[in-house]
Amino acid sequence: DQQVKQNSPSLSVQEGRISILNCDYTNSMFDYFLWYKKYPAEGPTFLISISSIKDKNEDGRFTVFLNKSAKHLSLHIVPSQPGDSAVYFCAASAEGAQKLVFGQGTRLTINP
Amino acid sequence: ETGVTQTPRHLVMGMTNKKSLKCEQHLGHNAMYWYKQSAKKPLELMFVYNFKEQTENNSVPSRFSPECPNSSHLFLHLHTLQPEDSALYLCASSLGLAGITDTQYFGPGTRLTVL
Repeated sequence: DQQVKQNSPSLSVQEGRISILNCDYTNSMFDYFLWYKKYPAEGPTFLISISSIKDKNEDGRFTVFLNKSAKHLSLHIVPSQPGDSAVYFCAASAEGAQKLVFGQGTRLTINP
Repeated sequence: ETGVTQTPRHLVMGMTNKKSLKCEQHLGHNAMYWYKQSAKKPLELMFVYNFKEQTENNSVPSRFSPECPNSSHLFLHLHTLQPEDSALYLCASSLGLAGITDTQYFGPGTRLTVL
């Protein structure tokens, strides 16, 4: 049973436009959520996180939104840049669980 | 450069070989992790160590044997692997165990191919 799902394996966006990556989860005990970015031949790099006590967290061009009632989070990147082309993973953890649960990833391609 | 290094970056081994993967972190972290990433699958947690003690073994087959001699080094000893074990093996570290305040930092991974 996959507790964290990224239903879009790929997404293509024009440079300068907004990229929206989505993630759904099933475990209501999750209280901390993260987004990681992964380039080929590199390990995932932490991007942004959000605690369940918030519904929005912003860092520069990146904003994460959390809808607890829908068990849904999204990552907005605006404006999108060619260097944003990568695979994006969402991850979640429950307090005391000692581990992150990852989604399958979404490959984002930014077209010039 | 995240401060977490892994060697080797690529490894090809036969099913009867014994090999080891090495991970080193230079971040002063106390927790270290091994993950497996197979094609088109999510990252799968394998093992967690906190202050050198194993705190999680995610039902990993015994042909994978972890070792954590100190908080900076983590090994994954491999023996009699199967072709389906071919994957990218990622090491990560965090200041404490994952949660509200402990973000994990990943190494570049070892691409393992079992023939």
